[in-house]
Amino acid sequence: AQSVTQLDSQVPVFEEAPVELRCNYSSSVSVYLFWYVQYPNQGLQLLLKYLSGSTLVKGINGFEAEFNKSQTSFHLRKPSVHISDTAEYFCAVTPSNSNSGYALNFGKGTSLLVTP
Amino acid sequence: DARVTQTPRHKVTEMGQEVTMRCQPILGHNTVFWYRQTMMQGLELLAYFRNRAPLDDSGMPKDRFSAEMPDATLATLKIQPSEPRDSAVYFCASGLGQAGGEETQYFGPGTRLLVL
Repeated sequence: AQSVTQLDSQVPVFEEAPVELRCNYSSSVSVYLFWYVQYPNQGLQLLLKYLSGSTLVKGINGFEAEFNKSQTSFHLRKPSVHISDTAEYFCAVTPSNSNSGYALNFGKGTSLLVTP
Repeated sequence: DARVTQTPRHKVTEMGQEVTMRCQPILGHNTVFWYRQTMMQGLELLAYFRNRAPLDDSGMPKDRFSAEMPDATLATLKIQPSEPRDSAVYFCASGLGQAGGEETQYFGPGTRLLVL
């Protein structure tokens, strides 16, 4: 089974400052990793995903994440945040070799609050 | 702009009543997922379907929950009888069913259920 730990439940940051949202995972098999964002009163949407290849993955809205297999981490970063980035961010994992389905295991989420 | 739609968006009901939530996946998607989101548990997978067949519903309380796909354009999640602990936001998501779990899941806006 796979699990995800998001180390910070809330991250307050000032506008235009850099931010890192931390995610660690646990799995006995190789995995795919995802970051989803949930804006207030909306469903989740994909920010980025790591499948294979380059460990640095770029996503939408200026976000990027780096896969670190040795540290089993997939931290999300943005060099300069905007007020509109205020949202809940979810890290998720799924086994890469599953023949039975594609269910995602989500972390508990990190609430990013950007203030002026 | 193709989207997953869910109805109703909000539902308030009394304990013991039947609740039916509906989801219309994106046309052409062949996997459908039901998730439940609560403050305490975060996002939990309840069930998912591929080509209308249930692949896994182990996350669903079998005695009161049921999920079906009567056709490719409609997925339903029913709770009978409902209980206050079922109060949550229920999300439907759909995907293309790409092999190995690399697919992006597209989430609907959710049904916010309150059971009194």
